[in-house]
Amino acid sequence: SAVISQKPSRDICQRGTSLTIQCQVDSQVTMMFWYRQQPGQSLTLIATANQGSEATYESGFVIDKFPISRPNLTFSTLTVSNMSPEDSSIYLCSVKLAGGQGGELFFGEGSRLTVL
Amino acid sequence: GDSVTQMEGPVTLSEEAFLTINCTYTATGYPSLFWYVQYPGEGLQLLLKATKADDKGSNKGFEATYRKETTSFHLEKGSVQVSDSAVYFCALRSGYALNFGKGTSLLVTP
Repeated sequence: SAVISQKPSRDICQRGTSLTIQCQVDSQVTMMFWYRQQPGQSLTLIATANQGSEATYESGFVIDKFPISRPNLTFSTLTVSNMSPEDSSIYLCSVKLAGGQGGELFFGEGSRLTVL
Repeated sequence: GDSVTQMEGPVTLSEEAFLTINCTYTATGYPSLFWYVQYPGEGLQLLLKATKADDKGSNKGFEATYRKETTSFHLEKGSVQVSDSAVYFCALRSGYALNFGKGTSLLVTP
């Protein structure tokens, strides 16, 4: 397994502001993803974070709203821009480890955002 | 697209009862299948997995068998404990990412 550190773990934000979430992994990874878990809901894939290039976004998510960076193999950031109360969610960083078998993903503890 | 459907919760059981949480999938081919668990206030953890048909994944007394005939991956445990209270998510591999079911909340009472 791996230690996946996300910061901040939680935050309360004002409408219209932006917040950047960081994800740092202590092991070699091949893939990094960002998921959203809205209150009482399942996990929805936002995007695949690609090293050194633009992220690949899922339907319904756009770069202007959720800009993502991945400057190296083990670090990525997700920004939630111009926030509204509907963005109140847990945002999770997820990784596929190098050498992993079976395709499982490992998850960070999540960043719980509340937008007022 | 590929998707999973799991039974609605919440499920409430008495300690030592038998647990089944149903999960069925729709996919092209035979993707790897997973069960994840989210304990209260904690992150998502891999519980077990199966990578091909007829594989049985097991961990912590939980089991699930990959059945291609019924496109199912039901989670079972013979005797649940209070500490098993959590939300359980069925997932399948789609590309390199995972698609998750809606989750089933389990509450085990003493």
